[in-house]
Amino acid sequence: DQQVKQNSPSLSVQEGRISILNCDYTNSMFDYFLWYKKYPAEGPTFLISISSIKDKNEDGRFTVFLNKSAKHLSLHIVPSQPGDSAVYFCAATFGGGADGLTFGKGTHLIIQP
Amino acid sequence: KAGVTQTPRYLIKTRGQQVTLSCSPISGHRSVSWYQQTPGQGLQFLFEYFSETQRNKGNFPGRFSGRQFSNSRSEMNVSTLELGDSALYLCASGGLAGETDTQYFGPGTRLTVL
Repeated sequence: DQQVKQNSPSLSVQEGRISILNCDYTNSMFDYFLWYKKYPAEGPTFLISISSIKDKNEDGRFTVFLNKSAKHLSLHIVPSQPGDSAVYFCAATFGGGADGLTFGKGTHLIIQP
Repeated sequence: KAGVTQTPRYLIKTRGQQVTLSCSPISGHRSVSWYQQTPGQGLQFLFEYFSETQRNKGNFPGRFSGRQFSNSRSEMNVSTLELGDSALYLCASGGLAGETDTQYFGPGTRLTVL
């Protein structure tokens, strides 16, 4: 039972355009959501997070939107840059994180020149 | 501030052996979590430690165990290794208990079981 789903295994976007990565979850107890970026053979790098009491959080080129009623969140990257090419993981947790992060399977973002 | 460090970075073992992986969290962080990443299952939570106590454990057999020391450093042990244990093992550290933690990951230990 996959509680966090990233339905697009890959996404190709032109440099300078907006990249939108999507994530759906099923567990209504999740109250904190995170996005990580990962290169091969490295650990995930934290990008941005959002608490369930908010619907938007912005940090530079990265914005995360949360739609609790739809159990959906998205990561927007504007403008997309070649260095953004990586696998992006959506993760969720609750209860302060002691239960660990539940990850989606990831979306491979490819930025085309 | 130094990040999460993991040793060793690469390890090759044979079936039936045991292995110990080490993780040093970010200075000041008290929570350490371990994850297993495989191509088929993705990133899966193994267990989480805070103040030397295991607070939660994921759905893994008892061959997977861990501990945390008073300086917050953590070790993970896998006994009687199986081929399916080949994976990238990631350690993550977080802040204070009771707060929603952002977890920061180390580079991982690549374990290959032959």
